[in-house]
Amino acid sequence: QVQLVESGGGVVQPGKSLRLSCAASGFSFDTYAMHWVRQAPGKGLEWVALISFDGGYKKFADSVKGRFTISRDNSKNTLFLQLNSLTRDDTGIYYCARDRRAITVANYWFDPWGQGTLVTVSS
Amino acid sequence: DIQMTQSPSSLSASVGDRVTITCRASQSVSTYLNWYQQKPGTAPKLLIYDASILQTGVPSRFSGSGSGTDFTLTITSLQPEDFATYYCQQSYSDLPERTFGQGTKVEIK
Repeated sequence: QVQLVESGGGVVQPGKSLRLSCAASGFSFDTYAMHWVRQAPGKGLEWVALISFDGGYKKFADSVKGRFTISRDNSKNTLFLQLNSLTRDDTGIYYCARDRRAITVANYWFDPWGQGTLVTVSS
Repeated sequence: DIQMTQSPSSLSASVGDRVTITCRASQSVSTYLNWYQQKPGTAPKLLIYDASILQTGVPSRFSGSGSGTDFTLTITSLQPEDFATYYCQQSYSDLPERTFGQGTKVEIK
């Protein structure tokens, strides 16, 4: 079945870096755009970044622009999110989610989602 | 940016109740509006896409309606497993910045 499994979360000090991974299975990973969405403790959902099917198009939320990078390895069916210069506001659960198409254009949705990986930024 | 506002932020209801959640967009999003359900400790799950189309496997007690700026999610007969937080999400703009509403928590009365 279609499955996304995140990993790489943990406790990290402010200013440090972390790399998250999302392993995909059960579908043709290289034909879908992918997203990262995060959720601060007790808060709502915040879209973070997207990457097109081939990695040629990437976009970021203003809150992470210049600090986070998104990439993918289609040969390994894996999505990545590199988190740099972390602050306490970056604490939360990070979910990867699949787009409905190869690129993100109007009328898209996120389905399915992974189970999430927790990032805690604390000294 | 298109702003999404859900109401209410939370509600208390009993099993068997009819529940309606509203989502309003700051400008027209056509029918490019999706609904997600998130139970505590789990990932969000797509319920409805394109304003009114039920995702495969979603019970028929869930329904969505609306177009333009005003949308509703209705649960006709609330079941114990429906107590969760519900989010709307617009997909009219290609960039998903601030794409989600703030969420509506449905609690047991």
